[in-house]
Amino acid sequence: KQEVTQIPAALSVPEGENLVLNCSFTDSAIYNLQWFRQDPGKGLTSLLLIQSSQREQTSGRLNASLDKSSGRSTLYIAASQPGDSATYLCAVPTGGGNKLTFGTGTQLKVEL
Amino acid sequence: DAGVIQSPRHEVTEMGQEVTLRCKPISGHNSLFWYRQTMMRGLELLIYFNNNVPIDDSGMPEDRFSAKMPNASFSTLKIQPSEPRDSAVYFCASRRRGQTNEKLFFGSGTQLSVL
Repeated sequence: KQEVTQIPAALSVPEGENLVLNCSFTDSAIYNLQWFRQDPGKGLTSLLLIQSSQREQTSGRLNASLDKSSGRSTLYIAASQPGDSATYLCAVPTGGGNKLTFGTGTQLKVEL
Repeated sequence: DAGVIQSPRHEVTEMGQEVTLRCKPISGHNSLFWYRQTMMRGLELLIYFNNNVPIDDSGMPEDRFSAKMPNASFSTLKIQPSEPRDSAVYFCASRRRGQTNEKLFFGSGTQLSVL
């Protein structure tokens, strides 16, 4: 059974700092990995989808990396801003690719 | 595009009452997913449909839960009778069918409180 873990559970950083969020998964046979953002009281927004054949995917200040062999992905946020404050979740497809198994999330707070 | 639309946004009901949650997926998306989110268990997949057909309902917790998708633009999740432990945020999400490498789009969720 695929298990997805995110560390740390919560993170508080000053504005402008570069930061890394971590995601680990137990079964390396994945098609892809997605990073989502969830704002309080809102649904999830997909930020990046990184294919199993890729090692990195970038969107603006966000960069996601994937190392299947070690079962790890990182989400790098450059020059963090207060608007980046949210919970970030990673997810991998399971059950033949049709289901997503989510990590427990990292709650990020970027302070002025 | 209006995105995935869920209603109601909030539902407060008493134990034993029937609750119906509604979802309209993004037009052209024919895979639809119902998730439940709680502090204790995080996000759990309850059921998903491809082309209006339920494919996997192994996540549905009990017979009290049922889901339907009568057409490509509408789905319901029903709880009858509801219990306090059903209190959670219920999300609907959609994606183009068979496209495991496509992003999943979520609605804003229904916050359910069962008293």
